[in-house]
Amino acid sequence: NAGVMQNPRHLVRRRGQEARLRCSPMKGHSHVYWYRQLPEEGLKFMVYLQKENIIDESGMPKERFSAEFPKEGPSILRIQQVVRGDSAAYFCASSLDSQGAGAFFGQGTRLTVV
Amino acid sequence: SQQGEEDPQALSIQEGENATMNCSYKTSINNLQWYRQNSGRGLVHLILIRSNEREKHSGRLRVTLDTSKKSSSLLITASRAADTASYFCATDLNSGYALNFGKGTSLLVTP
Repeated sequence: NAGVMQNPRHLVRRRGQEARLRCSPMKGHSHVYWYRQLPEEGLKFMVYLQKENIIDESGMPKERFSAEFPKEGPSILRIQQVVRGDSAAYFCASSLDSQGAGAFFGQGTRLTVV
Repeated sequence: SQQGEEDPQALSIQEGENATMNCSYKTSINNLQWYRQNSGRGLVHLILIRSNEREKHSGRLRVTLDTSKKSSSLLITASRAADTASYFCATDLNSGYALNFGKGTSLLVTP
């Protein structure tokens, strides 16, 4: 049973480009959470999704960031027109039900904006 | 603002010694969790303690929770070099599904 799979593991983008981060939850999990970790910081909640629904995006920046979790396929975190401040590790977690305490984390995608 | 704050920020000990890390939080919680993160890697869930529990053990790990002081501690006994990592406490936000992480304690265990 594979864990939460994120890809790519490392992503380099030039300023102004788009970054697409993918997350495949654990088998049977329909709840997905995205977190961002800035250097020397803890993880910050960004968004909580269920299949085809955004439940809570209170942690998402209002502009340039979007997330989806389609009926088929992985969850996608999209960052448009990236800036240097977007450089961070982005972690995805999934859970069987809405209790995030039982969530399993992926290895993360490290985004570097140059 | 940070819900969980770990203390100390960094800790250096020798193999065989015990390591104690503390976490303080601000609002009431349903549970508190400890995670480990090796450099450049993802998070590994270590232990969850519920608000009605005072102490929990898992192998060489011992976690305590004092809800009156809004604090928790993680004790790693007989530390090993492989325990070198950052350790984070996480509390559930009011929503019950999102976690709020502190900045972590960086633990270095030297042979």
